[in-house]
Amino acid sequence: DIQMTQSPSTLSASVGDRVTITCRASQTLSTWLAWYQQKPGKTPKLLIYDASSLKSGVPLRFSGSGYGTEFTLTISSLQPDDFATYYCQQYNGYSRTFGQGTKVEIK
Amino acid sequence: QVQLVESGGDLVRPGGSLRLSCAASGFIFSDSYMSWVRQAPGKGLEWVSSISSGGTIINYADSVKGRFTIARDNSKKSLYLQMNSLRADDTAVYYCVTEGNPPQFYFDNWGQGTLVTVSS
Repeated sequence: DIQMTQSPSTLSASVGDRVTITCRASQTLSTWLAWYQQKPGKTPKLLIYDASSLKSGVPLRFSGSGYGTEFTLTISSLQPDDFATYYCQQYNGYSRTFGQGTKVEIK
Repeated sequence: QVQLVESGGDLVRPGGSLRLSCAASGFIFSDSYMSWVRQAPGKGLEWVSSISSGGTIINYADSVKGRFTIARDNSKKSLYLQMNSLRADDTAVYYCVTEGNPPQFYFDNWGQGTLVTVSS
């Protein structure tokens, strides 16, 4: 099974900061990777798919990059609405695996 | 718009069984890959099982293989999850989710979830 490791587990940042979250895969994924945002008590929301494709309606301050085994989610200028937990998910072949999550907290 | 409404969550004893249902609307259900994803209280997301649009390709996470069965009825626009031999670590909110078109198996639309609690 493909294992996904996110870092950091928790991130403290201020409004306006540039934030980067990393996701590493135990096997190569090409670009079969997605990112999700989840706020407390809410359902997860798809942000990015195929490593770098922004889902329609998602703010342009969110971007994704990477190929193979290392991927990043970047928030160019953190907004109050962005404090949440972020998950990566691989979908190489028929397996699907999530990372353990990165909580973005207010500094 | 896409609507996914789960039902069937309940309190069940270890070793017991439960059947979850998901009623879909707002999209062409018979064309869509579907999945169940769960989240234990205070924990992260875990993919449980997926089923192809026609029901011929089915995959399970190792943690539920042999105990859970996914199924769908395209005529009723419904997705199901039969859960047997339930354990305490199956306690979670279970989400019904649409996937992208193969091979883009990302999770696009999510239901609100149904809570399954396994406890004596």
